[in-house]
Amino acid sequence: KNEVEQSPQNLTAQEGEFITINCSYSVGISALHWLQQHPGGGIVSLFMLSSGKKKHGRLIATINIQEKHSSLHITASHPRDSAVYICAVGGPGGGADGLTFGKGTHLIIQP
Amino acid sequence: DTAVSQTPKYLVTQMGNDKSIKCEQNLGHDTMYWYKQDSKKFLKIMFSYNNKELIINETVPNRFSPKSPDKAHLNLHINSLELGDSAVYFCASSQDWRGGAWETQYFGPGTRLLVL
Repeated sequence: KNEVEQSPQNLTAQEGEFITINCSYSVGISALHWLQQHPGGGIVSLFMLSSGKKKHGRLIATINIQEKHSSLHITASHPRDSAVYICAVGGPGGGADGLTFGKGTHLIIQP
Repeated sequence: DTAVSQTPKYLVTQMGNDKSIKCEQNLGHDTMYWYKQDSKKFLKIMFSYNNKELIINETVPNRFSPKSPDKAHLNLHINSLELGDSAVYFCASSQDWRGGAWETQYFGPGTRLLVL
């Protein structure tokens, strides 16, 4: 079973700072997801990636398959980015393996 | 339009009762999932269905039984509720089961279950 580790567990930063959240996993995967859970509890899928880099607005996700590591970056952070960011990996068998989740990174952006 | 909906949003019940949570998606997806988020906010997959067929059944007590009447619906029935069942239950869907873990997942708003 894949072990998914996220760091840091908690992060408080000032508005405008560049944010990096890391995710490492132990076993080969089919894809990696970054999810955002709002303070109200809703979950939104931010990225799904299996190689390289993806960008959406101020969010950038990268993955290094050889090193079994992914990073989520937030540029020009804003208080509305405050949320829990969760890394999840899909097993090598694809859909039949479901997703294994990290414990999340609780991000607070202060004005 | 709501993509993935769950009912009820909140559920408070006594130990020993039987309850159901309903999930519907209007995205035309083939695959649906149930996840449990515990008090420490840790998410874990429970079940996955593709076109009404059970694909994933993680180590979940027999008291939990998913039912998929059609590919747009995946309901979760829980018998003999226990205190430890208190959690938030999320339904999700994705396009295709073979790419299920490769495809973007769309989550419902969650059902907050409290067992007293």
